[in-house]
Amino acid sequence: AQKITQTQPGMFVQEKEAVTLDCTYDTSDQSYGLFWYKQPSSGEMIFLIYQGSYDEQNATEGRYSLNFQKARKSANLVISASQLGDSAMYFCAMRVNSGYSTLTFGKGTMLLVSP
Amino acid sequence: GAGVSQSPRYKVAKRGQDVALRCDPISGHVSLFWYQQALGQGPEFLTYFQNEAQLDKSGLPSDRFFAERPEGSVSTLKIQRTQQEDSAVYLCASSLARIANTEAFFGQGTRLTVV
Repeated sequence: AQKITQTQPGMFVQEKEAVTLDCTYDTSDQSYGLFWYKQPSSGEMIFLIYQGSYDEQNATEGRYSLNFQKARKSANLVISASQLGDSAMYFCAMRVNSGYSTLTFGKGTMLLVSP
Repeated sequence: GAGVSQSPRYKVAKRGQDVALRCDPISGHVSLFWYQQALGQGPEFLTYFQNEAQLDKSGLPSDRFFAERPEGSVSTLKIQRTQQEDSAVYLCASSLARIANTEAFFGQGTRLTVV
């Protein structure tokens, strides 16, 4: 079984600053994928970034980067130059590559960006 | 449409009533997932389809919950004799393949309120 842990219920950041959202995971599988999703108040889940377990470089997508530390089983999301529109819930999730694979989510972190 | 479509967006049911929630995945997507998201929580896995086959229903909370995907495209989640604890947002997601590096696309969800 897989488990995702997000220990920060809420985070505050000022506009234009960078923020790191923590995520640790637990799995016995060697091949897996890690995902971050954003969920604004409107409810839709928006895919942000993906990191494969065998990827040697950290994933980046625009202002989003994933700080992947495999030995520590962590996959923190870094948002640079925060914007007011970044205020939302953020979920870390993983999916393993054995058999069929479902997405397992953490409990989420609420990010509030202030002017 | 281009994305995952769920209907209805909102449903109010009287306790004891049966409800049916519909999910139209992205055309050609093999994998389909249903999740239940309680207020302030992360999505919890309910069930998984690969084409028309329901490969995992371990997350269904009781035998009042039933899901089907008879032709490998549209899926319906049915809840019989609804209870107040069934109130949640029900999210559907689809992905092109079953492997870990495939992004899952989410619908906007159906918010079920049982009164």
